[in-house]
Amino acid sequence: NAGVTQTPKFRILKIGQSMTLQCTQDMNHNYMYWYRQDPGMGLKLIYYSVGAGITDKGEVPNGYNVSRSTTEDFPLRLELAAPSQTSVYFCASRTQGAVIYNEQFFGPGTRLTVL
Amino acid sequence: DAKTTQPTSMDCAEGRAANLPCNHSTISGNEYVYWYRQIHSQGPQYIIHGLKNNETNEMASLIITEDRKSSTLILPHATLRDTAVYYCIVSADYKLSFGAGTTVTVRA
Repeated sequence: NAGVTQTPKFRILKIGQSMTLQCTQDMNHNYMYWYRQDPGMGLKLIYYSVGAGITDKGEVPNGYNVSRSTTEDFPLRLELAAPSQTSVYFCASRTQGAVIYNEQFFGPGTRLTVL
Repeated sequence: DAKTTQPTSMDCAEGRAANLPCNHSTISGNEYVYWYRQIHSQGPQYIIHGLKNNETNEMASLIITEDRKSSTLILPHATLRDTAVYYCIVSADYKLSFGAGTTVTVRA
């Protein structure tokens, strides 16, 4: 299993540009998450999904959109990039089940700079 | 979810046990305690979790006080590769809230 994969690894955007961060998992997990991590800070939840076709906002959803058409993929869309979106973005997944099984598996991250 | 308090940083000698404290005085009865770590800006990695009882796995031990208001993660024989940011999280659902964590530096 490749686990959780993210592309691209690095990206520089100009203010106002748009892009999609890709996330794929091959573990047949129902739950998927997008986090952002600013320098020296913990991770903040942007959006999450409990299954294909179901998404919900996390702590910091403004400026982002998501979709979940398949179990494997959970892309994150930035429509009008702003310098405040400069961050490292992590995708994660977990299997469906009781809270006791809340082990999330993380991808390697995408480092995004908006200039 | 209940808030956690962790020291900002701590050092540990290689080969010695590392004891990482976490306070979660407002924890609810249905909230679990989770520990994750993040090595050098990689994605966080799950370590261990528990509800009431002490837990042990191949990576670490988790000691939860009887009143559940605090816990300690124990890395029994710290190595240089254990240098990381360690996050203590309490949660009762499928979402996790990461604070700033404790930066642990293992020194040779």
